[in-house]
Amino acid sequence: GESVGLHLPTLSVQEGDNSIINCAYSNSASDYFIWYKQESGKGPQFIIDIRSNMDKRQGQRVTVLLNKTVKHLSLQIAATQPGDSAVYFCAVGNDYKLSFGAGTTVTVRA
Amino acid sequence: GAVVSQHPSRVICKSGTSVKIECRSLDFQATTMFWYRQFPKQSLMLMATSNEGSKATYEQGVEKDKFLINHASLTLSTLTVTSAHPEDSSFYICSARAKDTQYFGPGTRLTVL
Repeated sequence: GESVGLHLPTLSVQEGDNSIINCAYSNSASDYFIWYKQESGKGPQFIIDIRSNMDKRQGQRVTVLLNKTVKHLSLQIAATQPGDSAVYFCAVGNDYKLSFGAGTTVTVRA
Repeated sequence: GAVVSQHPSRVICKSGTSVKIECRSLDFQATTMFWYRQFPKQSLMLMATSNEGSKATYEQGVEKDKFLINHASLTLSTLTVTSAHPEDSSFYICSARAKDTQYFGPGTRLTVL
C-alpha cells in the first residue's frame, strides 16, 4: 500500500512571501502525484499534478517538485495571497487509486 | 470543464433511516467515480471505487451492505447509507476521473441524530 505523510501540519506565511509545503510517500511504484486545496466545508480543488517521468511542473503561481530518489513531493506557492489560506493535501498513487496525506493548514498573515 | 456536483449538500436524518447521496459529472463522462469520507480536521479516506455498469470495489473495512453504491450511467453515481447511525455522521465526498486526474465534488455533510 501507500503511506503519505506531511512534514508540517500548519504553515503561517506573510502575504507576498513564498510558501513551501512538503509531502513524503512510501511506495516507489507510485507514478501520479496531485496537490489539492480544500477550503472549509468544501470539496478538494485540483491545483496541479505531476507524473513520475517529470521532476518539476509549473502552473500559475504554483510549482510542484518531485524527488523520486527520496520519495518527496513539494508544492511552492509564489507571492502567497489571503485567498491561498486553506488546507493543502498531497495525493499519491496512480490513475486508479490515490492515497491522501494528512493536510497542511496554510494561514496567510496580512 | 471537469465539474462534479453532489446532492444534497447537507442532510440531517434520524438514526435507522437511509440516506442517498448523488454524484454527477456535469460536463464529462466518467466511467470511474470514487467515494471518500472525511472526519473533521482529518484527511480523505477512500471508501470505494465505483465503475459504471459493474459492482463497486470497496476498501478494506468498509461495509458494502451498509454503503450501497450504484453507478448506473456515465454521469451519475449514488451512495446510499443504509440504517444510518450517529457514527456515520461525516463529510462524504465523491470524485470522478477526467483527463487522467480526479476532480472532486463539493461534498455532502451528513448528520445522523
